[in-house]
Amino acid sequence: DTGVSQNPRHKITKRGQNVTFRCDPISEHNRLYWYRQTLGQGPEFLTYFQNEAQLEKSRLLSDRFSAERPKGSFSTLEIQRTEQGDSAMYLCASSLKRSQAQETQYFGPGTRLLVL
Amino acid sequence: KNQVEQSPQSLIILEGKNCTLQCNYTVSPFSNLRWYKQDTGRGPVSLTIMTFSENTKSNGRYTATLDADTKQSSLHITASQLSDSASYICVVSALGTGNQFYFGTGTSLTVIP
Repeated sequence: DTGVSQNPRHKITKRGQNVTFRCDPISEHNRLYWYRQTLGQGPEFLTYFQNEAQLEKSRLLSDRFSAERPKGSFSTLEIQRTEQGDSAMYLCASSLKRSQAQETQYFGPGTRLLVL
Repeated sequence: KNQVEQSPQSLIILEGKNCTLQCNYTVSPFSNLRWYKQDTGRGPVSLTIMTFSENTKSNGRYTATLDADTKQSSLHITASQLSDSASYICVVSALGTGNQFYFGTGTSLTVIP
């Protein structure tokens, strides 16, 4: 257990439905990352936050995807009008970024999404 | 372009045997390199982290090497166990203040009895 939790662990939904995932990072970590991972591939970067500010978004993050970290603690990732191609594992990672120090990511267990 | 490539893509070995996984990268400027182990259906867990000045680091039966000149790293697993079956991901960080993590696609290791 890395200290990063994600809920739900599994989600099955029908195409066109909206889904929301939650990530609770390690409490003192100021950075939070979202990744998507498909079978046999490494994690693909989606977006990241420093405190409550969303600093970067990947081109993979279409208009149907939105992420928030309203109080700089937990984060949510919402997918609207899900498509079968959204089926993947969604990973969250948190880290403590200080100016000149190394940054180590700690990953949550992931949320596996299946869109039927 | 910053890239991380891993080989082989998959590997099957007998329990008790050793194996070596490879990671080549073009990430610059280099900060550090991590090897993660990812069990099926779980998130990645860090095994080792190496900075520019380190060329070898061990964590139990796992030994990572780094050649910063050739931009290559390897992960050697000694006396493999069935529980070593997992995906091993190489992640290289660049210096900077933004998102600086570059992921390899992983090597899938299967240890059979």
